Amino acid sequence: NAGVTQTPKFQVLKTGQSMTLQCAQDMNHNSMYWYRQDPGMGLRLIYYSASEGTTDKGEVPNGYNVSRLNKREFSLRLESAAPSQTSVYFCASSEARDQEGVQYFGPGTRLTVT
Amino acid sequence: AQTVTQSQPEMSVQEAETVTLSCTYDTSESDYYLFWYKQPPSRQMILVIRQEAYKQQNATENRFSVNFQKAAKSFSLKISDSQLGDAAMYFCAYRAITDSWGKFQFGAGTQVVVTP
Repeated sequence: NAGVTQTPKFQVLKTGQSMTLQCAQDMNHNSMYWYRQDPGMGLRLIYYSASEGTTDKGEVPNGYNVSRLNKREFSLRLESAAPSQTSVYFCASSEARDQEGVQYFGPGTRLTVT
Repeated sequence: AQTVTQSQPEMSVQEAETVTLSCTYDTSESDYYLFWYKQPPSRQMILVIRQEAYKQQNATENRFSVNFQKAAKSFSLKISDSQLGDAAMYFCAYRAITDSWGKFQFGAGTQVVVTP
């Protein structure tokens, strides 16, 4: 039981390049989330998905797209990377309707855009 | 909209001593969850403790306990008998029970430094 996995762990991009961050969970959770973490700002929600085939914008969606490929996988795409997207990215999952309410996090991806 | 405020960017504590991290939040909801997550240098987000707003009793997990004051919208974390392994960034988080998608609102974090 791996929980939430993310690839890659580190990435360096040049401005204008594109890339996709991959996330998978094996806990059969319906809800999945993408966050970015910047110093002094905590974790901010980029996009989330309540179930397979549905996605919605969070607090900071500009410059990103997402795909909920199936129940397990939720990817985040940067079409044209900008230095402002330098950050640590976390994927998380939860069973939003249960009484526990906990989100489980992946190990994060440190992305640098030069 | 809900907001979560952690007013202490950094707290320092000596080994074996106690440190308290503050968290306040703003909400119009009556039922919600509050969480503290720990982020050590490994970057992994680890759940420390969870509190349900409708429960009067403060949650406790070993050396970690909370002081939940619903009327004051305050949710502080106390770390007792601090250990070197407690050094990490700590995030307070809020989730409304009525949010079907389970979205969280996080505070900015408090860095805990533990000195020998």
